[in-house]
Amino acid sequence: DIVMTQSPDSLAVSLGERATINCKSSESVLYSSNNKNYLAWYQQKAGQPPKLLIYWASSRESGVPDRFSGSGSGTDFTLTISSLQAEDVAVYYCQQYFSTPPTFGQGTKLEIK
Amino acid sequence: QVQLQESGPGLVKPSQTLSLTCTVSGGSISSGSYYWSWIRQPAGKELEWIGRIYTSGGTNFNPSLKSRVTISVDTSKNQFSLKLNSVTAADTAVYYCAREIQYYYESSGYATSFDYWGQGTLVTVSS
Repeated sequence: DIVMTQSPDSLAVSLGERATINCKSSESVLYSSNNKNYLAWYQQKAGQPPKLLIYWASSRESGVPDRFSGSGSGTDFTLTISSLQAEDVAVYYCQQYFSTPPTFGQGTKLEIK
Repeated sequence: QVQLQESGPGLVKPSQTLSLTCTVSGGSISSGSYYWSWIRQPAGKELEWIGRIYTSGGTNFNPSLKSRVTISVDTSKNQFSLKLNSVTAADTAVYYCAREIQYYYESSGYATSFDYWGQGTLVTVSS
């Protein structure tokens, strides 16, 4: 299985500031034939299911605010929230779908400083 | 708007079988563009994919659970179901059903990200 490791485990950021969450895969999730990175990001608020934010490492899901962006390639990826809002408090997960079973990171808890 | 809803017992005794059903509304489960998955999350822990079913009836499972898992689909009811046998306390978790987007490349379909999720149902394994 591909192991997904996120850093940090928790993060406190002031309102309006930038938040950055990292995700590293144990092997590359870049498929060279189509040059796509098989990686997604999710947001999970307390008591709710995960919500898809980003797919193909950098494509924003419909309806997701443009302050959320994804970047990276191969084994190293980043989710950036450009200007933190109060409603962004949540746990964020990365997920690879390069191989079965799909696997998730351990999550990063984002709080307001 | 697609919606998924899990249903089933919230308490299962050790060694028995956990059975859950996911009802899909707002879209047909027979659409060839998606796969249908089960995912679980123990309290305070990360998400674990259990397995998926294709509309053709084909299945894939997490190797860690494969020997204990059955996933089936009932297209007439727009539902798919999970059975996990020989449960222990380690199977206590919130269980989610989710829709997985299919990506076609070089004439083959591949599962990608999960775009719709049910609200989740807590299943506790205890005597």
